[in-house]
Amino acid sequence: EPEVTQTPSHQVTQMGQEVILRCVPISNHLYFYWYRQILGQKVEFLVSFYNNEISEKSEIFDDQFSVERPDGSNFTLKIRSTKLEDSAMYFCASIPPYGNTIYFGEGSWLTVV
Amino acid sequence: SQQGEEDPQALSIQEGENATMNCSYKTSINNLQWYRQNSGRGLVHLILIRSNEREKHSGRLRVTLDTSKKSSSLLITASRAADTASYFCATASGGSYIPTFGRGTSLIVHP
Repeated sequence: EPEVTQTPSHQVTQMGQEVILRCVPISNHLYFYWYRQILGQKVEFLVSFYNNEISEKSEIFDDQFSVERPDGSNFTLKIRSTKLEDSAMYFCASIPPYGNTIYFGEGSWLTVV
Repeated sequence: SQQGEEDPQALSIQEGENATMNCSYKTSINNLQWYRQNSGRGLVHLILIRSNEREKHSGRLRVTLDTSKKSSSLLITASRAADTASYFCATASGGSYIPTFGRGTSLIVHP
């Protein structure tokens, strides 16, 4: 069964460094999402992306965050200058055309030290 | 906030028993979805119920939706140790189909 793949599975970075998290959504899906989950807390919506632009974003998704679809397959989340509180699991997800079910990747665990 | 809130926060049962988790939300929804998350893993979609539906089944899962009470329940029958996971409800409302998640119910099934 097709799946959303994410890399890296785990990254440790120093505070202030830039981080890029990568995702390959399922190939025929049109809507892409980033969510995050701080350890032990709820899953929080960050941003949705459709037709090569941001369609919705949450308050969490401030100027430190950006998303891109640099080619036809990859979907990236960039954090420009990481803070300790950015430590979380970041999930990429996608939705098929005419569907409501979100398919999540396994996540990228980011640790900021 | 639109997000669903699950209840109880934690549930511990013996294998073979039924597990019931509840979700409450605050405003009208388009649909409600239940997801499962094994520790440290991604979210796996279990079932979606639309606002005009009252009950859905999928294998050992049964989901109900009461829009008048703004609540949903997830029943897992004949639980197995492998059902041990966190279970989340997610709601979408208004013009947005983006699910927002609650804090989840942590289910432990003892063999």
